[in-house]
Amino acid sequence: RKEVEQDPGPFNVPEGATVAFNCTYSNSASQSFFWYRQDCRKEPKLLMSVYSSGNEDGRFTAQLNRASQYISLLIRDSKLSDSATYLCVAKAGGYNKLIFGAGTRLAVHP
Amino acid sequence: ETGVTQSPTHLIKTRGQQVTLRCSSQSGHNTVSWYQQALGQGPQFIFQYYREEENGRGNFPPRFSGLQFPNYSSELNVNALELDDSALYLCASNPGSINNYGYTFGSGTRLTVV
Repeated sequence: RKEVEQDPGPFNVPEGATVAFNCTYSNSASQSFFWYRQDCRKEPKLLMSVYSSGNEDGRFTAQLNRASQYISLLIRDSKLSDSATYLCVAKAGGYNKLIFGAGTRLAVHP
Repeated sequence: ETGVTQSPTHLIKTRGQQVTLRCSSQSGHNTVSWYQQALGQGPQFIFQYYREEENGRGNFPPRFSGLQFPNYSSELNVNALELDDSALYLCASNPGSINNYGYTFGSGTRLTVV
């Protein structure tokens, strides 16, 4: 079983749609969680941190449920520019390595 | 210079050869980590260096090795290249063991082994 698992998608949605991505992690010792965005053939870029209390940044909302070991990302009012791969990430270990899921592809169409 | 920079951007090598990839850390960051991202996969942790010493390693064979220099820049060396080593190699730096900090990645080196 992979340490971080995500639905690979792709999610094909029209502009303006709301889309939700889910992620589970297996290491209960994981300390911090993030969503990264990766455009085709580019490096991953930090989108937002994830907290148990929830974290909202404009159209993006991230949520962590430690009891269920579940992380979510909600994107409201999707834009064409949101098309990318979204990577769910846990930070774990004494040296805080990042553990990535395989990513969920999002394609927003007109 | 405030970002993480990597060189070269692209590289083609032949199976069995050796390669060295380079990374310049973000100013003030004393920790650097390397990741391998195969096509269609998420990045996989290779190893991490803190103040010139390796302090964490992922599930990669010994032919993957690294160095960190006093200025905190870093190298990733891969010996006896195999076709499966073809991937995007990413370097990330961070200012130390701050838990809730998301790392910043360089733009990566795309290695093709033929």
